[in-house]
Amino acid sequence: SYVLTQPPSVSVAPGKTARITCGGNNIGSKSVHWYQQKPGQAPVLVIYDDSDRPSGIPERFSGSNSGNTATLTISRVEAGDEADYYCQVWDSSSDHPGVFGTGTKVTVL
Amino acid sequence: EVQLVESGGGLVQPGGSLRLSCAASGFTVSSNYMSWVRQAPGKGLEWVSVIYSGGSTYYADSVKGRFTISRDNSKNTLYLQMNSLRAEDTAVYYCASLAAPSNWFDPWGQGTLVTVSS
Repeated sequence: SYVLTQPPSVSVAPGKTARITCGGNNIGSKSVHWYQQKPGQAPVLVIYDDSDRPSGIPERFSGSNSGNTATLTISRVEAGDEADYYCQVWDSSSDHPGVFGTGTKVTVL
Repeated sequence: EVQLVESGGGLVQPGGSLRLSCAASGFTVSSNYMSWVRQAPGKGLEWVSVIYSGGSTYYADSVKGRFTISRDNSKNTLYLQMNSLRAEDTAVYYCASLAAPSNWFDPWGQGTLVTVSS
């Protein structure tokens, strides 16, 4: 099965930029999606298809994907961005198509 | 408004069974890829199962042979029948729709807690 690896935690000061990586074999050839999850809540889609934002998601959230690493970037970080973030791909050729990354806890200092 | 509402969670003994339901509104379950995702306490998200619009189903190795995903088109509802439950199946279970063509999960239900314990 395909494996996605994220750093367990990222710490960032308010107003600075947070970058969360998602590593996978040749992930640049796949479409990567990102979710934000706050305690006690369901995940919320923040980026789809590597870099597209759903309506209602601030422009501060952006994504990129190349080679073996996809990246979620949160610019001008706010206290409300403190949450867990997960990357995800869909491996249609697999019998186990749904794949989530290991998750990253973003802490706003 | 597009919405998913899960129900059916609760406390069950090891070896027992439970059926989760996920009622959809604002879209048609049978026309979409639908999935279950779970999250054990303090852990990350784990994909559990999918049913494609054509009816094909797939499962994570951790639940294959014990869980069955299905849908009732007349009720516009997704189900997850869980048998031979184990302590490690304790989790919040979310249903979610998959958006084509690259299959991201949106929307999600609010989740329902399944606790497997004696």
